[in-house]
Amino acid sequence: DAGVTQSPTHLIKTRGQHVTLRCSPISGHKSVSWYQQVLGQGPQFIFQYYEKEERGRGNFPDRFSARQFPNYSSELNVNALLLGDSALYLCASSLRVNQPQHFGDGTRLSIL
Amino acid sequence: QKEVEQNSGPLSVPEGAIASLNCTYSDRGSQSFFWYRQYSGKSPELIMFIYSNGDKEDGRFTAQLNKASQYVSLLIRDSQPSDSATYLCAVNEGGTSYGKLTFGQGTILTVHP
Repeated sequence: DAGVTQSPTHLIKTRGQHVTLRCSPISGHKSVSWYQQVLGQGPQFIFQYYEKEERGRGNFPDRFSARQFPNYSSELNVNALLLGDSALYLCASSLRVNQPQHFGDGTRLSIL
Repeated sequence: QKEVEQNSGPLSVPEGAIASLNCTYSDRGSQSFFWYRQYSGKSPELIMFIYSNGDKEDGRFTAQLNKASQYVSLLIRDSQPSDSATYLCAVNEGGTSYGKLTFGQGTILTVHP
């Protein structure tokens, strides 16, 4: 069975630009969460969605937004990119909100 | 600020030894606990989860939970060089409402032949 798939795998942007990252959960999983991981640290929670509704939001600025579609896939949008947004962005899916989360391979975002 | 702390590494063990990884958490209401393995340049991979006090075994891995002491550990028996990775402890702070995972900073494990 396919795991969590994320696209693109790598992305290079410049400051001030906008980016959209995409995620398809494991088949049957209805919850998608987004995390940001910078080098040398554990992932930081950004959002969780379940049945298309936002269930949780981490301590990130309003430049970060997300949504979940009827097929349970999800998008993470980041506006007005800053150098500090350079990180590995991870999507995780789970059957329900408090079930074990499985991560995709991530999107590595570099801001120049 | 709810925190998850892991014992500082790196941890180096010889092949065949037991590796012991430790984690403490600050939110006494946390209900579920996870261990992820992350190879360099890769994404985290779920290897164990535990919800109740006591031990949970899966192959060479044993997770231990003590909610009174707010302590979670992972034991890896018969360590292999392929176990060399960063191990991340994660705690679900959302209870049953949602699944925010708070991660520790990770412990780098090196298993040398």
